[in-house]
Amino acid sequence: GAGVSQSPRYKVAKRGQDVALRCDPISGHVSLFWYQQALGQGPEFLTYFQNEAQLDKSGLPSDRFFAERPEGSVSTLKIQRTQQEDSAVYLCASSLQGALAGSSYEQYFGPGTRLTVT
Amino acid sequence: AQSVTQPDIHITVSEGASLELRCNYSYGATPYLFWYVQSPGQGLQLLLKYFSGDTLVQGIKGFEAEFKRSQSSFNLRKPSVHWSDAAEYFCAVNNYGQNFVFGPGTRLSVLP
Repeated sequence: GAGVSQSPRYKVAKRGQDVALRCDPISGHVSLFWYQQALGQGPEFLTYFQNEAQLDKSGLPSDRFFAERPEGSVSTLKIQRTQQEDSAVYLCASSLQGALAGSSYEQYFGPGTRLTVT
Repeated sequence: AQSVTQPDIHITVSEGASLELRCNYSYGATPYLFWYVQSPGQGLQLLLKYFSGDTLVQGIKGFEAEFKRSQSSFNLRKPSVHWSDAAEYFCAVNNYGQNFVFGPGTRLSVLP
């Protein structure tokens, strides 16, 4: 079946612009995660949804970052007033089970959106 | 705080040689442990995972990893490296269904 898809794959924004990054998880997957991967580093957790509920947003670096998953499937990560330090690859991942379900917790990652802020 | 360390930033091996990539974690209990591979411009692909039981786990592409509780390590190995294995490798721990904590990655180069 189809994997996790993300769009756009590449985004160039001028400093100060708002951007919206989309994630389509694997159908039926309960959990959805967003990660930020700076150049040459490992991914870092941003936020986590279980269905439509945002259960953890402790990794969001500032109040300019906002994520939503209104119907429990597609998710959007929005960055307002982009800054150069926001330049990174934004990875989305989905997982079949929720945190309390007691399963393998394997996460399936999308290809990412590379954001460049000029 | 949870952390994952990968001491080697960059490793170069010759094709056909053996490989070991190191991973250590700091966590209160034994977490779920994973190795992912990332090729340039690609997403993360799961190589293998450890939850419990046999401490030697087999993965895809001929990779294996051994969990050593006493050393808080989960090192990745491959007996004979292929040129197509050149990529970035990430060790990760999973907080029982919550987010992953990733190591900084080890870049593998393969000499012909």
